[in-house]
Amino acid sequence: QKEVEQNSGPLSVPEGAIASLNCTYSDRGSQSFFWYRQYSGKSPELIMSIYSNGDKEDGRFTAQLNKASQYVSLLIRDSQPSDSATYLCAVGGYALNFGKGTSLLVTP
Amino acid sequence: DVKVTQSSRYLVKRTGEKVFLECVQDMDHENMFWYRQDPGLGLRLIYFSYDVKMKEKGDIPEGYSVSREKKERFSLILESASTNQTSMYLCASSSHRANYGYTFGSGTRLTVV
Repeated sequence: QKEVEQNSGPLSVPEGAIASLNCTYSDRGSQSFFWYRQYSGKSPELIMSIYSNGDKEDGRFTAQLNKASQYVSLLIRDSQPSDSATYLCAVGGYALNFGKGTSLLVTP
Repeated sequence: DVKVTQSSRYLVKRTGEKVFLECVQDMDHENMFWYRQDPGLGLRLIYFSYDVKMKEKGDIPEGYSVSREKKERFSLILESASTNQTSMYLCASSSHRANYGYTFGSGTRLTVV
């Protein structure tokens, strides 16, 4: 079984702070790494993708990948209440394995 | 706006019924997937398809089958519905052109009574 592990949370951060979400994976052959955001009652939406070691920034979001440590992270800067959601880490090739998600709560 | 459309948002079926869940995408994506999502268990892959008439088992294929007769349509079939198949079913599609990031449908909440 190809495992993708995330802390379930909830992770609570004040508005304007940096939220840091982490993910580890077991399959060293994984080539693609994604972060999805899922609001309650909605389907997941893709927010970040990363394929090589290092950092990738998109607006307030930064994804970090370390293949040697089998570790992926997502930083959300200037967190807003609208960022409150469950964040899913997904890892794989063209079929993805998902973590169970980390619940993020941004408090005003 | 690109879309993955699942035919039903909510569905209630009886134990033993044959159930069809339909998914259609308009993005010309090669790959299509069926997952179920359950509290505490996350998203689990049931079946996927990388081409018309091709199918691959995922992690939990038992009790399910699939059909992909056209590129844009991927159907999930519950041969004889059981109460443990009550779940949220999510269809997704992807393409090598989009580096395999998924686009999800809005989901079908299936209740088997």
